[in-house]
Amino acid sequence: RKEVEQDPGPFNVPEGATVAFNCTYSNSASQSFFWYRQDCRKEPKLLMSVYSSGNEDGRFTAQLNRASQYISLLIRDSKLSDSATYLCVVNTAGGGNKLTFGTGTQLKVEL
Amino acid sequence: GAVVSQHPSWVICKSGTSVKIECRSLDFQATTMFWYRQFPKQSLMLMATSNEGSKATYEQGVEKDKFLINHASLTLSTLTVTSAHPEDSSFYICSFFRGYEQFFGPGTRLTVL
Repeated sequence: RKEVEQDPGPFNVPEGATVAFNCTYSNSASQSFFWYRQDCRKEPKLLMSVYSSGNEDGRFTAQLNRASQYISLLIRDSKLSDSATYLCVVNTAGGGNKLTFGTGTQLKVEL
Repeated sequence: GAVVSQHPSWVICKSGTSVKIECRSLDFQATTMFWYRQFPKQSLMLMATSNEGSKATYEQGVEKDKFLINHASLTLSTLTVTSAHPEDSSFYICSFFRGYEQFFGPGTRLTVL
């Protein structure tokens, strides 16, 4: 089983739609969780950290369920510019700053 | 925010040659840098952790004699792919942490013919 699993997609949604991505992680000792965005042929960029209480940043909402070892990202009012691959990233306790990346979920927002 | 540069952005080389990739932190002194590799449609995989002034720590399955890492200063780490083969063709990305945030270089796309 992969340490971090995501549905690769692609998810094709119309502009203005609300879309959600899920991610599961296998190591229950994982401490920190993030969503990164990666555009084609570019480096990943931090979208947001994920906190236990859930957190929101504009149109983006992240949720963490430690019991189910599950992380989600919700994007409201999708824009064309949201088209990218969204990477679920986990930092496991004791691993220092070593991050484990999911394969990413590809989102395509269309007119 | 912190800025990381990588050079070259892309390189095409013949099989058997060696390629050096440079990673520089432009406004931060990094004692530790990380080198990742990403194959098409796959996740970023950590290859090694580069420590300034000491030997790099390699992940399981990564050949240290093939992927030579040098972190000679607080702002520069280099990755040399020695005797590159087509299977080494990939997107190589460096990164470092500042606080809780990880900053990535723009990546180097290596194509070995």
